[in-house]
Amino acid sequence: GAVVSQHPSRVICKSGTSVKIECRSLDFQATTMFWYRQFPKQSLMLMATSNEGSKATYEQGVEKDKFLINHASLTLSTLTVTSAHPEDSSFYICSAHLSGGGDYNEQFFGPGTRLTVL
Amino acid sequence: GQNIDQPTEMTATEGAIVQINCTYQTSGFNGLFWYQQHAGEAPTFLSYNVLDGLEEKGRFSSFLSRSKGYSYLLLKELQMKDSASYLCAVMDSNYQLIWGAGTKLIIKP
Repeated sequence: GAVVSQHPSRVICKSGTSVKIECRSLDFQATTMFWYRQFPKQSLMLMATSNEGSKATYEQGVEKDKFLINHASLTLSTLTVTSAHPEDSSFYICSAHLSGGGDYNEQFFGPGTRLTVL
Repeated sequence: GQNIDQPTEMTATEGAIVQINCTYQTSGFNGLFWYQQHAGEAPTFLSYNVLDGLEEKGRFSSFLSRSKGYSYLLLKELQMKDSASYLCAVMDSNYQLIWGAGTKLIIKP
């Protein structure tokens, strides 16, 4: 099946610093990737939709200047958390949309990145 | 608005069968997904339904009725490792997944 990787899997940083998270589709091309955030004991919350070669579409309440998304190629999207604060500590998960033609659609998830801001 | 409803928590016994229901109201429909998520891990794909009916995959089956906006995930021969959260998600007309809050399944010996 299709594989999506994320790097790093875990990061601890100081408040005020920036953190970059990479999401790669390893064996398929993904024109659309999604970035989610999940707080403990809650469901996934969509942050933004990333389309290759164009600006990301952010969900309401998500600051685009704080969460910078770059989808420079068909296999790589990056999320940069700028000037991180402790409240940004969360589990960040990316997914890549694969269309198999016809009625088939699926999103493949990366393993997630645990961000802790001290 | 868009809405996905599923029970918050269910408890079942090892070896038994459990059915997790999901009802939805979304703008457009490009399929319904069930994912399993263990604590601290990303979701893993279980099933995909886009047409009405039952899809069986080993111990897991998923059912869809588009006219009723209803799906269920059926888990048979429950094992302790099945203890996890089960997430129902509908792909809308923009190919975005609309997520339910998840059902925490507790398996008891």
